[in-house]
Amino acid sequence: EDQVTQSPEALRLQEGESSSLNCSYTVSGLRGLFWYRQDPGKGPEFLFTLYSAGEEKEKERLKATLTKKESFLHITAPKPEDSATYLCAVRGGATNKLIFGTGTLLAVQP
Amino acid sequence: DAGVTQSPTHLIKTRGQQVTLRCSPKSGHDTVSWYQQALGQGPQFIFQYYEEEERQRGNFPDRFSGHQFPNYSSELNVNALLLGDSALYLCASSWGAGSTYEQYFGPGTRLTVT
Repeated sequence: EDQVTQSPEALRLQEGESSSLNCSYTVSGLRGLFWYRQDPGKGPEFLFTLYSAGEEKEKERLKATLTKKESFLHITAPKPEDSATYLCAVRGGATNKLIFGTGTLLAVQP
Repeated sequence: DAGVTQSPTHLIKTRGQQVTLRCSPKSGHDTVSWYQQALGQGPQFIFQYYEEEERQRGNFPDRFSGHQFPNYSSELNVNALLLGDSALYLCASSWGAGSTYEQYFGPGTRLTVT
């Protein structure tokens, strides 16, 4: 069964303290791994798509990487405005549905 | 460029009632997917519409149904509401039902069933 597990569930950082979020997945035939950011009460905001192991994408203070079993979202020198829930999702097999993890709640304190 | 829009923003219904939620996809997109997100959980796939037909369905009962219109907008209908149906309902649009392109989400409709 296709599955996505994110860790940690919650992470508290000081402003400027870099860290990484993990997304482990099992899927038959990966057709894309997606990172989203979600603010409270709002819809997920698309960040990155990764398709194959070894691929990396960057956007401002965020960098996403992908291996055959997991993805990391690296946050460099975070700011309070980076506080949000970060969701990882995979698409596999012949379907177009996204299978989401439960997310990592990130809090960055000034 | 208008993104994905959903209406209404919030809705309060009573057990047993029926509800209809609406979604307009991002410009240029032809595929609409619906998700249910309970508090503290990731979104769960309900179904997807492409070319006015339901193409895929998640593990949701037949009380959940939908429709897609010729202009690609979509509706989600839920009959015989249960307390457990209280959640944030998200609509996502993309291009091509079988593509690998990313899905863009709307702001969601918060449904509360009392």
